[in-house]
Amino acid sequence: AQKVTQAQTEISVVEKEDVTLDCVYETRDTTYYLFWYKQPPSGELVFLIRRNSFDEQNEISGRYSWNFQKSTSSFNFTITASQVVDSAVYFCALSEANNAGNMLTFGGGTRLMVKP
Amino acid sequence: SQTIHQWPATLVQPVGSPLSLECTVEGTSNPNLYWYRQAAGRGLQLLFYSVGIGQISSEVPQNLSASRPQDRQFILSSKKLLLSDSGFYLCAWSLPWRLAGLQETQYFGPGTRLLVL
Repeated sequence: AQKVTQAQTEISVVEKEDVTLDCVYETRDTTYYLFWYKQPPSGELVFLIRRNSFDEQNEISGRYSWNFQKSTSSFNFTITASQVVDSAVYFCALSEANNAGNMLTFGGGTRLMVKP
Repeated sequence: SQTIHQWPATLVQPVGSPLSLECTVEGTSNPNLYWYRQAAGRGLQLLFYSVGIGQISSEVPQNLSASRPQDRQFILSSKKLLLSDSGFYLCAWSLPWRLAGLQETQYFGPGTRLLVL
């Protein structure tokens, strides 16, 4: 069965610091998809990124970057020069291929607090 | 573009009362639809999902039920609320599963905060 672990339950940083959120996953499938979502205080989950298991290229989007390491089953998320607006709970999720419901397995989430 | 709506945004209900939460999606056809619950300070729990009208799969046995009377409408119900039903309820949609080996992204609505007293 699949599993996603976000070992950091809470992280607190000062504005402009870089911060990395860890995500480790378990799956028996050779083809799978990984996601990151952001949940700001308003509650809505905002989709950030989706990564396919056959594409190990890392991705950068502005201050956000993602490091996919298949060898260590990790999909870590780094925010560079953090800002107060980055304060939120971040969820990592896994979806196995051939899953007709497109269902996700979520990690427990990491609460990021960015202080001014 | 696609949008997803949920209402009400907030609800306070007494124990034993019925519940009806509604979710609708615009701008797409035959979406997969999902109901999640998030208890205070905790992760997301998938409650139900639907791949088509009248097709509901339950992930967790409980006193809640779901229905999909129309293609883009998903309803979460209860006949008698429990204190433990309090939480944040999120609806999500995705494109239908089309190809073997391909998974679609889920997009979430704004959520409904339910407090059962």
